[in-house]
Amino acid sequence: EDQVTQSPEALRLQEGESSSLNCSYTVSGLRGLFWYRQDPGKGPEFLFTLYSAGEEKEKERLKATLTKKESFLHITAPKPEDSATYLCAVQVIGSNYKLTFGKGTLLTVNP
Amino acid sequence: AAGVIQSPRHLIKEKRETATLKCYPIPRHDTVYWYQQGPGQDPQFLISFYEKMQSDKGSIPDRFSAQQFSDYHSELNMSSLELGDSALYFCASSQTRNFYEQYFGPGTRLTVT
Repeated sequence: EDQVTQSPEALRLQEGESSSLNCSYTVSGLRGLFWYRQDPGKGPEFLFTLYSAGEEKEKERLKATLTKKESFLHITAPKPEDSATYLCAVQVIGSNYKLTFGKGTLLTVNP
Repeated sequence: AAGVIQSPRHLIKEKRETATLKCYPIPRHDTVYWYQQGPGQDPQFLISFYEKMQSDKGSIPDRFSAQQFSDYHSELNMSSLELGDSALYFCASSQTRNFYEQYFGPGTRLTVT
């Protein structure tokens, strides 16, 4: 069974304190790994898609990396507005493109 | 840029009633997905459509049905509503030639009383 595990469940940072979120996955065959940001009561906001081990993508203070077993979302010098739940999801070969999500990491950045 | 549109944004129904949720995908997107997110939970895949044909089915109850119309909008029909159906329902859309990156709508919050 395809599994996605995110850690930590919650992370509290001070403004400017860099850190990383982890997403480990066990799937039969990975087509793509997705990162989303979700604010309370709102739809997930697309951040990145990674397709192969070694791939990296950046957007503002966020950088996503991918290995054969896990992905990291690095947050550099976070600001309070980065506070949100960050969801990781996998798209598995043969699954007709549906996403299987992890439970998410709730990030809180204090000023 | 145009985004996924969902309506209504909020819906309150009583047990055993019927609800219809609508989704308008991003223009030129050919695939629509429906997800259910319970309180404090991650989104769970329900069903998807590619070019108006059902392409995949997840943990969708038999009381629910969905379809995609000729203009690519989709509707999720939910009958005999139960208290446990209270959740956020998201629609997402993607485009085949853009590697199936899924973009989510704002969701419909369904409350069953």
